[in-house]
Amino acid sequence: IQLTQSPSLLSAFVGDRVTITCRASQGIRSHLAWYQQRPGKAPKLLIYAASTLQSGVPSRFRGSGFGTEFTLTISSLQPEDFATYYCQQLNIYPYIFAQGTKLEAK
Amino acid sequence: EVHLVESGGGLIQSGGSLRLSCAASGFSVSDNYMIWARQAPGKGLEWVSVIYPVGNTYYADSVQGRFTISRDNSKNTLYLQMNGLRAEDTAIYYCARAVWLVNGLDPWGPGTLVTVSS
Repeated sequence: IQLTQSPSLLSAFVGDRVTITCRASQGIRSHLAWYQQRPGKAPKLLIYAASTLQSGVPSRFRGSGFGTEFTLTISSLQPEDFATYYCQQLNIYPYIFAQGTKLEAK
Repeated sequence: EVHLVESGGGLIQSGGSLRLSCAASGFSVSDNYMIWARQAPGKGLEWVSVIYPVGNTYYADSVQGRFTISRDNSKNTLYLQMNGLRAEDTAIYYCARAVWLVNGLDPWGPGTLVTVSS
């Protein structure tokens, strides 16, 4: 399985709505997770099963998709959201991560 | 509270061996899917290995035959034995838990740095 995330770099303003896409080379049902990683920190689970918000994660984060195409949308960017985001497929071994999207402040 | 802490990283010469530990609290490693992932300096996340509750183990091609994942239920600790280390194994190594794989990895430990010198 290959996972392709786009874009690799995304520049946006506080308050913007942004979308990150993750495509799988074969169907993975809804077995996709999204993580946020801030510099120098471990990744943090945001979304699992493609669209389920992890407890404690703000509702401005939304995941969608099934099969081979998935999206992560942040509805109104906050200063703390500027970080790197990764998707991971958990349908079948190997449970690879995509290459990541760095979200930077414009 | 559910918590993971890695240890055992350090500077090692190419070809050497190192064993990483991941101490768990607030849950049993034996009842969960336990994962090792790594991140080379300035790079993205790479999945390394998993051990299932039933004991099955799987590895990334890049470490197959050199790394071994295991757990000690009495110590509630996960391990990663790394042999034949290469410069490209230099990374921060993270352990993480999944109750069910579809539920994603949470929590993660803070990571331990392994540096392989050539």
